[in-house]
Amino acid sequence: DQQVKQNSPSLSVQEGRISILNCDYTNSMFDYFLWYKKYPAEGPTFLISISSIKDKNEDGRFTVFLNKSAKHLSLHIVPSQPGDSAVYFCAATYRNSGNTPLVFGKGTRLSVIA
Amino acid sequence: DGGITQSPKYLFRKEGQNVTLSCEQNLNHDAMYWYRQDPGQGLRLIYYSQIVNDFQKGDIAEGYSVSREKKESFPLTVTSAQKNPTAFYLCASSTRGPTGELFFGEGSRLTVL
Repeated sequence: DQQVKQNSPSLSVQEGRISILNCDYTNSMFDYFLWYKKYPAEGPTFLISISSIKDKNEDGRFTVFLNKSAKHLSLHIVPSQPGDSAVYFCAATYRNSGNTPLVFGKGTRLSVIA
Repeated sequence: DGGITQSPKYLFRKEGQNVTLSCEQNLNHDAMYWYRQDPGQGLRLIYYSQIVNDFQKGDIAEGYSVSREKKESFPLTVTSAQKNPTAFYLCASSTRGPTGELFFGEGSRLTVL
């Protein structure tokens, strides 16, 4: 059973517009969430994270929102740029139990069209 | 520069052969991980190690083996028992702290002929 779900396999957005990538989770023990970005044939790179004690975290063009009651988080990219075209993975863990491995979603492929 | 080095980047193997993928890190991280990526499947955990001489199975450990004799190294062996070994393999490491942030290598693509 998937604990972290990214239900949209792909998303296309015009350059300059907002990209919204969604992620749902089922395990209420998760208390820390991360987004990774991955280009083809490369390893993922960390993008942004959020703790369950917050509902928003912002870093430049990237903002992650967390809705604990809905077990839902989203990544907003504003404005979207062609270089943002990549696969984005949502991941979750529960820090209180130590170094628990991250659980990843299946990813959403974002295409930013110039 | 600090980082994670995976080798080889591309590897071809005949059916029935074992192959070992190398992963070395100089970040002084305690924990290391192996993930497998398949199209549409995301990243699935194969094995992980939180400390030298100790490792745990992940979600898809069957057909794989690992060792952790040194803090810097976490090699993955894909054995002939692995039914569908063709995939992109990613090694990662993290501190033992609670942040959970992983640092990934560039990956190794294994193709079984």
